[in-house]
Amino acid sequence: NAGVTQTPKFQVLKTGQSMTLQCAQDMNHNSMYWYRQDPGMGLRLIYYSASEGTTDKGEVPNGYNVSRLNKREFSLRLESAAPSQTSVYFCASSLGRAFFGQGTRLTVV
Amino acid sequence: GESVGLHLPTLSVQEGDNSIINCAYSNSASDYFIWYKQESGKGPQFIIDIRSNMDKRQGQRVTVLLNKTVKHLSLQIAATQPGDSAVYFCAETSDNRLAFGKGNQVVVIP
Repeated sequence: NAGVTQTPKFQVLKTGQSMTLQCAQDMNHNSMYWYRQDPGMGLRLIYYSASEGTTDKGEVPNGYNVSRLNKREFSLRLESAAPSQTSVYFCASSLGRAFFGQGTRLTVV
Repeated sequence: GESVGLHLPTLSVQEGDNSIINCAYSNSASDYFIWYKQESGKGPQFIIDIRSNMDKRQGQRVTVLLNKTVKHLSLQIAATQPGDSAVYFCAETSDNRLAFGKGNQVVVIP
């Protein structure tokens, strides 16, 4: 039982490159979330998915897209990375309390 | 790497003393509240939760208080230990949306 698994753990991108952050949970949770965390800013919600097949914008969705591929997986895509997207990204899933992955540290140069 | 606690309000507490961390939430429709602890380089970890039909809930060494009238949440940690040093976040849920406060850093002085 792995909980919430994020890949990759670290990534460096050049401005304009694209990439997808992967997230999978094995707890059969309906809700999944993507957050970014910057120093002094707490966790800001990018997108969330209340159930398979649905996604909704959070607080800071610009520059991102998401896919709820199935109940287990919720991916976050950066189509054209910008230095402002340098951050630590966390995926979470919940059925009440939320469980978090270990994070992806992304640097855009 | 950069500390997640950079520029956050900081509470310094002597080992063995009690800690109180406060949080104001904004959405009066929120019906479920959670406190998380985050250590450097790790994801947030669940500490304790409370539903809006309660005003107090106790766990092991931790107590959460909810005042819906003034939209205020607090976390009390009894007999604070060095392992309690971390950043603490409150979170609120409404309509499946989980939103976090900015966090408070707790530093335990041995």
